[in-house]
Amino acid sequence: DAGVIQSPRHEVTEMGQEVTLRCKPISGHDYLFWYRQTMMRGLELLIYFNNNVPIDDSGMPEDRFSAKMPNASFSTLKIQPSEPRDSAVYFCASSSSVTFTEQFFGPGTRLTVL
Amino acid sequence: AQSVTQLDSQVPVFEEAPVELRCNYSSSVSVYLFWYVQYPNQGLQLLLKYLSGSTLVKGINGFEAEFNKSQTSFHLRKPSVHISDTAEYFCAVSLNTGGFKTIFGAGTRLFVKA
Repeated sequence: DAGVIQSPRHEVTEMGQEVTLRCKPISGHDYLFWYRQTMMRGLELLIYFNNNVPIDDSGMPEDRFSAKMPNASFSTLKIQPSEPRDSAVYFCASSSSVTFTEQFFGPGTRLTVL
Repeated sequence: AQSVTQLDSQVPVFEEAPVELRCNYSSSVSVYLFWYVQYPNQGLQLLLKYLSGSTLVKGINGFEAEFNKSQTSFHLRKPSVHISDTAEYFCAVSLNTGGFKTIFGAGTRLFVKA
């Protein structure tokens, strides 16, 4: 199994631009999580999905952030417009309700907003 | 609500010495407990987990942890560390009643010196 796949691995953009991060979960997993990691705030859960449906988005910082999961094998996290304080590493993770309990993390996307 | 406290932000230790990374949690209901490791520029990966049963849990790379319900702790230990154990370690909890939302601690940076 290829594991959780994230793209791009690195993204550098200018303030005000739209940024889209992508995630492909492990095949067969029915839970998908988006996290943000910074030195100041540590690892924060932004949103998670079950069977493609958003379950809890209380961690999404503001309306500039949105996430979708159009099918079981693909999810996006979009920031529009981006701001320098959005600079962080964004992780996607997936898990299975059948074999739960751990989450499998992708390698992350390092976002830099100038 | 659940919370996780990792009592040490950094732990320096010499190679081949024993190490303990401390974790306390708070929850009004039963939880699952985890330790994850993050190597530089990588995602998190599972070290070990406690679901039920024996309170001493063994994980990968020679790590083990002990669940102490009365003290609400789940400390991670290794009798002899290697340079390659240098990484950030995260304690995490999730409800065992479904939902699968996981709360992560702030992390402990283990630095193994030669």
